[in-house]
Amino acid sequence: QKEVEQDPGPLSVPEGAIVSLNCTYSNSAFQYFMWYRQYSRKGPELLMYTYSSGNKEDGRFTAQVDKSSKYISLFIRDSQPSDSATYLCAMNGGAGKSTFGDGTTLTVKP
Amino acid sequence: NAGVMQNPRHLVRRRGQEARLRCSPMKGHSHVYWYRQLPEEGLKFMVYLQKENIIDESGMPKERFSAEFPKEGPSILRIQQVVRGDSAAYFCASSPREPAFEPQHFGDGTRLSIL
Repeated sequence: QKEVEQDPGPLSVPEGAIVSLNCTYSNSAFQYFMWYRQYSRKGPELLMYTYSSGNKEDGRFTAQVDKSSKYISLFIRDSQPSDSATYLCAMNGGAGKSTFGDGTTLTVKP
Repeated sequence: NAGVMQNPRHLVRRRGQEARLRCSPMKGHSHVYWYRQLPEEGLKFMVYLQKENIIDESGMPKERFSAEFPKEGPSILRIQQVVRGDSAAYFCASSPREPAFEPQHFGDGTRLSIL
């Protein structure tokens, strides 16, 4: 079983929709939770990171962590065609390597 | 550009040749990480280095792969006697010196193709 499982997608939504991207994990040692966006042929770009449980908002993006359920989510409000990309969740115990989900490919249609 | 710099962006090798991938971390970052990404998969950790030290190589294949981060110059990921299965995108990431956690920032990768 993988340490991090991500909803596989692909996901296709109309412009303006609210998007929910989700990951579950099994390692209780994870303390930091990241979301990266990756465009085709480019490197992952850090969107947001959170520590422990709770919500964090940045513009149209909200990251949510529920450590009791070992579940994290990224919400995108008012989605735009430029949001079309692969989204990767990542987790870290506080030092060293991060463990990534396999990614969810999102397409936002105009 | 103060970001993580990787070169070359694309590398083609024939089976049995050596591949050398380079990574210069962001300014002020002293921790370097290498990840491999196969098509339709997430990033898999390979190795974590600080200057002149390998901290964690638990994700590195036991043979043909090596990594270094010398006192001067970029970090190098070296693959000897490449095989078709080594074809992938290799990403380097960096983060600042400890103790506070900082998430890793990535370069745009080197896409390795083996003929």
